[in-house]
Amino acid sequence: IAGITQAPTSQILAAGRRMTLRCTQDMRHNAMYWYRQDLGLGLRLIHYSNTAGTTGKGEVPDGYSVSRANTDDFPLTLASAVPSQTSVYFCASSVDSSTGELFFGEGSRLTVL
Amino acid sequence: AQKVTQAQTEISVVEKEDVTLDCVYETRDTTYYLFWYKQPPSGELVFLIRRNSFDEQNEISGRYSWNFQKSTSSFNFTITASQVVDSAVYFCAHQPGAGGTSYGKLTFGQGTILTVHP
Repeated sequence: IAGITQAPTSQILAAGRRMTLRCTQDMRHNAMYWYRQDLGLGLRLIHYSNTAGTTGKGEVPDGYSVSRANTDDFPLTLASAVPSQTSVYFCASSVDSSTGELFFGEGSRLTVL
Repeated sequence: AQKVTQAQTEISVVEKEDVTLDCVYETRDTTYYLFWYKQPPSGELVFLIRRNSFDEQNEISGRYSWNFQKSTSSFNFTITASQVVDSAVYFCAHQPGAGGTSYGKLTFGQGTILTVHP
């Protein structure tokens, strides 16, 4: 059972470069989310998608973009990475947006130098 | 806006001790949900429990129990007879219910690092 797959697991990136974090789920969940985890701040929502074709901004959306072309995929793009985007990024999904029982990927550790 | 506070940054206990992790939340929503998630050293986040704001019954699941008190806006988590495998970061979270301003989106607390020593 795969659940949610994130790639890459870890990446070091030069500031100013473009980067896309990939997220794929095989549970046919309608809702998907991207969170970043920073020490002392917990998890903060970047962007979300309640269903394929729709996206919305979370708590910390600046510098990030997402797309939801189909049910399974929800990539997160950093158009021009900055050091403050160094973080661990978690993709998550839920059956729909009414339930908070999120299923998380294993995370992508991103370092921007 | 919602806010979730886990005042305990780190807790260290010896195996078999009981330990309580505190969670206090702020919300203007009349309907909402509260959650606890566990993040073991391997890094993945695991769902533990979801509570509806209308249901203040305490819940017990094995060595885990949760105390929800709406009057004090708290949703505390107790581990009885802790074990080394309980060592993890624990997150409390809030989600507005239907009609809430941020329906469907979770707000997490800062997390509490629990270390259980043998």
